[in-house]
Amino acid sequence: NAGVMQNPRHLVRRRGQEARLRCSPMKGHSHVYWYRQLPEEGLKFMVYLQKENIIDESGMPKERFSAEFPKEGPSILRIQQVVRGDSAAYFCASSPRGRASGYSYNEQFFGPGTRLTVL
Amino acid sequence: SQQGEEDPQALSIQEGENATMNCSYKTSINNLQWYRQNSGRGLVHLILIRSNEREKHSGRLRVTLDTSKKSSSLLITASRAADTASYFCATEETSGSRLTFGEGTQLTVNP
Repeated sequence: NAGVMQNPRHLVRRRGQEARLRCSPMKGHSHVYWYRQLPEEGLKFMVYLQKENIIDESGMPKERFSAEFPKEGPSILRIQQVVRGDSAAYFCASSPRGRASGYSYNEQFFGPGTRLTVL
Repeated sequence: SQQGEEDPQALSIQEGENATMNCSYKTSINNLQWYRQNSGRGLVHLILIRSNEREKHSGRLRVTLDTSKKSSSLLITASRAADTASYFCATEETSGSRLTFGEGTQLTVNP
């Protein structure tokens, strides 16, 4: 059973370009989380999605950032018109279930991350 | 202060010594988790302790949780050079499923 997969592992963009980051959750997982890690800092929550639904996007910047998790295919984090401040590691995590399922805890499995560098 | 603060920010010890890292948080939580991250790599889940638990062991790891003080500690016994990494605590709040991470403790174990 493959773990969470993210691609690309490294992405270089010039200011103003678009960045698309992909995350394939573990088999059987229908919940996806995106986190951002700036250099020398901890991870910061961005968005939580289930298949075809955004559950919590309170950590996502209001402009230029969007996320989706379609019925088929990977979850996509899209950053339009990138700026140097977007340079960071972006991690995706998946879990098999959410709060509504009644389980007492939510174990998240992390991917290796995509390191975005904006020139 | 922000949720999930680790203390100290950096710790340097000799191989064989024990390493203790602390984490404080502010809100009510369902559980607290510790992760490890090697430089430039992804996160590895180490251990999860639920809000109704006080202590948990896993190999050379010992985690404690004091919900009255809103704090947790991670103890690594008999440290090895391979334990060198950043260690993060993360809390799952009662209000939602997302994890809130601290800024991490950079542990260096010198051979």
